[in-house]
Amino acid sequence: DGGITQSPKYLFRKEGQNVTLSCEQNLNHDAMYWYRQDPGQGLRLIYYSQIVNDFQKGDIAEGYSVSREKKESFPLTVTSAQKNPTAFYLCASSMSGAREGYGYTFGSGTRLTVV
Amino acid sequence: GNSVTQMEGPVTLSEEAFLTINCTYTATGYPSLFWYVQYPGEGLQLLLKATKADDKGSNKGFEATYRKETTSFHLEKGSVQVSDSAVYFCALVPSGNTPLVFGKGTRLSVIA
Repeated sequence: DGGITQSPKYLFRKEGQNVTLSCEQNLNHDAMYWYRQDPGQGLRLIYYSQIVNDFQKGDIAEGYSVSREKKESFPLTVTSAQKNPTAFYLCASSMSGAREGYGYTFGSGTRLTVV
Repeated sequence: GNSVTQMEGPVTLSEEAFLTINCTYTATGYPSLFWYVQYPGEGLQLLLKATKADDKGSNKGFEATYRKETTSFHLEKGSVQVSDSAVYFCALVPSGNTPLVFGKGTRLSVIA
């Protein structure tokens, strides 16, 4: 079955360390997205990519980095510059035109905790 | 800019009660509108969608109608079940190929 896989489900990081969250999809979707979810704040866009080797900053990109070397993969690195990284991170993908009503397919998320 | 405003939760209802979750939006052009649902500890799932004015999206007993005149996309269900307990997000895609913009979500709890 096609889908989008995020790993790991839970991640603990010490302050000052970088950590990379994995996101893989086998839906042949062109576009991929990273959102951060905090209680009471909904989903905020971190980065998105509409084609391989290209990506754009979202609303809260500071302290994060991404790469898109393959269509199937869009890893997110949370760097030590991110001041408050503890959150639930969601990856999503879509055909190139979410506007046409296909919507997004979401992964099951990674909960990152800084200890 | 583009934004979505949802009624604040939590919303607590008894089983078989009628549900309305209000959603209004601000957008340039003619956006597509969506409702997503998130069950505890999971990602989001697309619940229903509408791509043009007066379209009605429906799924699993939930409905929402795209009202351009009131810039609204309210979610309704005639008889909720305990299994409907979740967080519901209203979202839009502005005109053009830009990412989804989400509301803050509304938590629904249904009591037996």
